Amino acid sequence: GAVVSQHPSRVICKSGTSVKIECRSLDFQATTMFWYRQFPKKSLMLMATSNEGSKATYEQGVEKDKFLINHASLTLSTLTVTSAHPEDSSFYICSATPEGGNTIYFGEGSWLTVV
Amino acid sequence: QKEVEQDPGPLSVPEGAIVSLNCTYSNSAFQYFMWYRQYSRKGPELLMYTYSSGNKEDGRFTAQVDKSSKYISLFIRDSQPSDSATYLCAMSGWDNFNKFYFGSGTKLNVKP
Repeated sequence: GAVVSQHPSRVICKSGTSVKIECRSLDFQATTMFWYRQFPKKSLMLMATSNEGSKATYEQGVEKDKFLINHASLTLSTLTVTSAHPEDSSFYICSATPEGGNTIYFGEGSWLTVV
Repeated sequence: QKEVEQDPGPLSVPEGAIVSLNCTYSNSAFQYFMWYRQYSRKGPELLMYTYSSGNKEDGRFTAQVDKSSKYISLFIRDSQPSDSATYLCAMSGWDNFNKFYFGSGTKLNVKP
């Protein structure tokens, strides 16, 4: 099946710093990528939808200036958590849709801990 | 009413049992249906993908879609402890190809 790679899988950062998470589609071109946040024992919470070459569409309640999303190519999207705070600690997951496809493939997820 | 409803469980079964996981939905435009398995602290893994109504089988897994009832199922035969995970259903429709709707996930525990 299609592979989506996410990096880093775990990151610890200090409060006030920024951290970048990368999401790559390894064997297909992804016109659309999605970013989710998942709290322990909870379902996926869609944060934003990004289309290659255009601005991301953020879900209600998600701060676009805090969670910067860039989808510069058909195989790479990045999520930057700016001025991170301990409450931003969470499991972040990306997913990607192949061009013309009707299903989505998920990355392995990234654990962010802000200390 | 949520677009997709899924019983969160937990569902606990003995090893070897047949497991039935289900989701209901409200949008008749949905025609692409997916099941994902998510192990603890990992990203979801695509298990089954079906289009429109009918059955699809892959090894011990069978996905069923009943569009008339707006009901989808995932059956796991000869369940194993390694099947213990959270199972998510997801769907999308012809009205918005890039919008996917997820169930809340059912936690399955297969006891040895």
